[in-house]
Amino acid sequence: QVQLVQSGAEVKKPGASVKVSCKASGYTFTSFGISWVRQAPGQGLEWMGWISAYNGNTNYAQKLQGRVTMTTDTSTSTTYMELRSLRSDDTAVYYCARDSVGATGDYWGQGTLVTVSS
Amino acid sequence: QSVLTQPPSVSGAPGQRVTISCTGSNSIIGAGYDVHWYQQLPGTAPKLLIFGNTNRPSGVPDRFSGSKSGTSASLAITGLQAEDEADYYCQSYDSSLSGWVFGGGTKLTVL
Repeated sequence: QVQLVQSGAEVKKPGASVKVSCKASGYTFTSFGISWVRQAPGQGLEWMGWISAYNGNTNYAQKLQGRVTMTTDTSTSTTYMELRSLRSDDTAVYYCARDSVGATGDYWGQGTLVTVSS
Repeated sequence: QSVLTQPPSVSGAPGQRVTISCTGSNSIIGAGYDVHWYQQLPGTAPKLLIFGNTNRPSGVPDRFSGSKSGTSASLAITGLQAEDEADYYCQSYDSSLSGWVFGGGTKLTVL
């Protein structure tokens, strides 16, 4: 069955960077892109960007341009999301989701809590 | 402010029917992009509930249904159950961003 398993919770200081991983299984990794979505405490869902697992093409949300980088490792079917220059308002649960037909997330990772605090 | 507009909350008694609206713009929902719905139970990841406006993934009860007309979409839940208490989000695609857009979410309370 399709599974996306994310790395564990992180605590970072303001100005630091964080890299979250998302390991896929149960399907042909290069056939689908991965989108990243975050959710601040008590808030709604915010799309961060997308990466093609086929060729590594990316598209990032404008507000995160310059601070976010998404990469893939096809040898391990893993996608990474790195966010730099962390601020307190980056505190959120970060999710990866398989980007399926019609631009929908049909399978989601369990989420990774990133806490930014001095 | 979310690109797609949802009511912050809805409620209903067990067995009743509730609907959640999702209003967009001519450039998103009105441009023909599909609307999808997610259910998020407390402390868990979103789960795809409706895709492509009206389709249910395998395993989703037929109590859940979706529709779309013009620049709006709706999620209907019939035969409301206590386990349906959750946050519900609509999602579509914005070609100007080349990315997903979400509604602000609707909290469903089962009375």
